Amino acid sequence: QVQLVESGGGVVQPGGSLRLSCVASGFTFSGYGMHWVRQAPGKGLEWVTYIRFDGTTKSYADSVKGRFTISRDNSKNTLYLQMDSLRAEDTAVYYCARDLTGSSHFDYWGQGTLVTVSS
Amino acid sequence: EIVLTQSPDTLSLSPGERATLSCRASQSVSSRLAWYQQKPGQAPRLLIYDASYRATGIPARFSGSGSGTDFTLTISSLEPEDFAVYYCQQRSNWPPEYTFGQGTKLEIK
Repeated sequence: QVQLVESGGGVVQPGGSLRLSCVASGFTFSGYGMHWVRQAPGKGLEWVTYIRFDGTTKSYADSVKGRFTISRDNSKNTLYLQMDSLRAEDTAVYYCARDLTGSSHFDYWGQGTLVTVSS
Repeated sequence: EIVLTQSPDTLSLSPGERATLSCRASQSVSSRLAWYQQKPGQAPRLLIYDASYRATGIPARFSGSGSGTDFTLTISSLEPEDFAVYYCQQRSNWPPEYTFGQGTKLEIK
């Protein structure tokens, strides 16, 4: 069965950095695009970034462009999110999600990892 | 940026009743619309993709319809486990952005 397990969340000061990881299993990771989606406490869902199955195409929400970097290591079945210049408004649960091939949606999600930006 | 507006914000119904949730896009998204269910403390779950296709393992009581700017998620007969928050989501072609509606909370009356 498809599993996505995020890690790397925690408390970081404003201006700091953090790297999230998402380990995939139960499917051919190298064949799927992947996303990060976040949810601030008590709020709705916000798409953050996408990477194509082979890593050649990436896209970002305006709110994180220039500060966050998505990457992947298909040999390790792992997706990453490097977050720099963190702000209080980046505080959220971060989910990795698999791209539903041929559609524009997210078919499997991890359980999420909480990032708190606070001094 | 395409904005998705869901209505109502909260829907109070009883088990066994029919639920109708709406999602309106600020411009046409063709059929590139999905619906997700989220329960407290859990990740979202895909219910409907491409406006009307049920995702794997989703019960037949869930159905989606619409195209262009107006979409509907219908739950034909509510089960106790259906009370949750529901989000619609679309992807625009250019720039390639994915946006969600603000959510509809379906609560037990």
